[in-house]
Amino acid sequence: DVKVTQSSRYLVKRTGEKVFLECVQDMDHENMFWYRQDPGLGLRLIYFSYDVKMKEKGDIPEGYSVSREKKERFSLILESASTNQTSMYLCASWDPDGGTYGYTFGSGTRLTVV
Amino acid sequence: GQSLEQPSEVTAVEGAIVQINCTYQTSGFYGLSWYQQHDGGAPTFLSYNALDGLEETGRFSSFLSRSDSYGYLLLQELQMKDSASYFCAVKDDYKLSFGAGTTVTVRA
Repeated sequence: DVKVTQSSRYLVKRTGEKVFLECVQDMDHENMFWYRQDPGLGLRLIYFSYDVKMKEKGDIPEGYSVSREKKERFSLILESASTNQTSMYLCASWDPDGGTYGYTFGSGTRLTVV
Repeated sequence: GQSLEQPSEVTAVEGAIVQINCTYQTSGFYGLSWYQQHDGGAPTFLSYNALDGLEETGRFSSFLSRSDSYGYLLLQELQMKDSASYFCAVKDDYKLSFGAGTTVTVRA
């Protein structure tokens, strides 16, 4: 089974801090994604990457950046955390040649910015 | 951009059938997916429809009409463990865009 592991389940950070959310997948998937999930809004795509060092903006990239230096690791960076970035962050991976159309999600990081 | 609409809540009794509708407006469309998410858990993939018609996987079925920009997820023989949120999602090349989700509550 593909595993997508997010480094922290819960995080509390202060406004203005630089925050790193880490995601690692173990099945050599090319595509990785960062979503945030808020009640009533579903999952919204922040950034995605289809190859090492490649990144594309999603629907809500403002205030975020990403890094993909190795295929298995995709990091989400909050350059200067703000209270409106308090949310559940979900990482996912997918292999377009893997025979499935489904993304595999991590368990999420619940970030609170105070 | 993408816009997806699905009902926010559905309640049903054990053994019943529930249909969750999803309508979408998209700039690009490869297919419609469905995901299940239990409270506190990760979304898990249920089904994918790229072509019109019904796809059946055990107690769950998913339907797509591309001409109507419409799909649904059918949950049959409801069980308590089916209480969860269900999301439709449109696949556009690499990306998935999700609806706001439907919370299904199963009562005994």
